Amino acid sequence: KNEVEQSPQNLTAQEGEFITINCSYSVGISALHWLQQHPGGGIVSLFMLSSGKKKHGRLIATINIQEKHSSLHITASHPRDSAVYICAVIPYSGGGADGLTFGKGTHLIIQP
Amino acid sequence: NAGVMQNPRHLVRRRGQEARLRCSPMKGHSHVYWYRQLPEEGLKFMVYLQKENIIDESGMPKERFSAEFPKEGPSILRIQQVVRGDSAAYFCASARDRLATNEKLFFGSGTQLSVL
Repeated sequence: KNEVEQSPQNLTAQEGEFITINCSYSVGISALHWLQQHPGGGIVSLFMLSSGKKKHGRLIATINIQEKHSSLHITASHPRDSAVYICAVIPYSGGGADGLTFGKGTHLIIQP
Repeated sequence: NAGVMQNPRHLVRRRGQEARLRCSPMKGHSHVYWYRQLPEEGLKFMVYLQKENIIDESGMPKERFSAEFPKEGPSILRIQQVVRGDSAAYFCASARDRLATNEKLFFGSGTQLSVL
């Protein structure tokens, strides 16, 4: 079982729909990242969370540390939001290890 | 302020050759991370370096792979005697401080390595 599980794996929706992507993890973490990977391969960091909720434009990310769960929401989705969305956690090790552990990503397609 | 620069974007090597992947972090960033994305798989952590030091190489194969981040110049990921299984996209990311301090991470565009 992966330490980071995302759902759904694939999601196709119509322009304007409200999108939710979920991420569950099984280890203690110091922070969680949401990343966006465009069809060309480039990766952009969208959010970094250690508690609560963050909003940037039409994107909202929430995290529940007790339940080990995070969600990424997209309001008023647009075809340009089509990308792979990746959840990644920094496992809390207390030591020098600092590498991210990634989910396999959610492939989102927004149709016009 | 240029972003994280990786080169080359595409690298083709024959089995047994060496591959050198370069990463110049953003200005002011002294923490560099290398990740590998195999076809149809998720990203995997390889190595974390801070200027002149390897902090964590727990994700890097023990043989043929090495990484450095010298005082001057880019970080280099070196793969000796490449095999077909090394074909993947290799991403570099940089930050001002350790990720565990909740620093934001900036990614390069990646190097696509193809081994013939």
